[in-house]
Amino acid sequence: EAEVAQSPRYKITEKSQAVAFWCDPISGHATLYWYRQILGQGPELLVQFQDESVVDDSQLPKDRFSAERLKGVDSTLKIQPAELGDSAMYLCASSSQIRTSGGAGSQYFGPGTRLLVL
Amino acid sequence: DQQVKQNSPSLSVQEGRISILNCDYTNSMFDYFLWYKKYPAEGPTFLISISSIKDKNEDGRFTVFLNKSAKHLSLHIVPSQPGDSAVYFCAASRNNAGNMLTFGGGTRLMVKP
Repeated sequence: EAEVAQSPRYKITEKSQAVAFWCDPISGHATLYWYRQILGQGPELLVQFQDESVVDDSQLPKDRFSAERLKGVDSTLKIQPAELGDSAMYLCASSSQIRTSGGAGSQYFGPGTRLLVL
Repeated sequence: DQQVKQNSPSLSVQEGRISILNCDYTNSMFDYFLWYKKYPAEGPTFLISISSIKDKNEDGRFTVFLNKSAKHLSLHIVPSQPGDSAVYFCAASRNNAGNMLTFGGGTRLMVKP
């Protein structure tokens, strides 16, 4: 069964350092999402791509976070510099289409990258 | 401002009994609702969904009920099994917002043998 791949699974870094996370969506999925999940809370959308274009990045802290999906396939999320409050699980998800009325458009999630900033 | 809320952080149920997980939302523009299940060290997996034009959707042991007037939905699991022990997230989306999901905070379900 096709899966969303993410790496690394765990990352420990010191504050002010740069970190990068990688995501490879399910083959053929045009839509890719990055979420941040703080312990005890639900996932919050950071950025949404349709192919290589950003659809929504309104919740992305653009002073330190950046995301790209250059060829419309895999994607990288970067934090520079990392802060203590960035410690969280970073989840990548993909879906085959933007949901149209009555459609499902279910998102498939990867295992996530757990980031700890010291 | 939390638009999707799961007010019970945890729920404990005996194996074979019914589990009822609740979710409330505030944004009347939401028109599609989903439940995801999450095991430790894994990403959330899609469980069941419901459109706002329906009030019930059933898939095997899982049934989701939607009460639009109360802005409330619930997930029923019957019968509950130990393997159902996980964190359950309620999520909602708006048709004119693409497929963007707004998640609740999750409810940890523990099914005791």
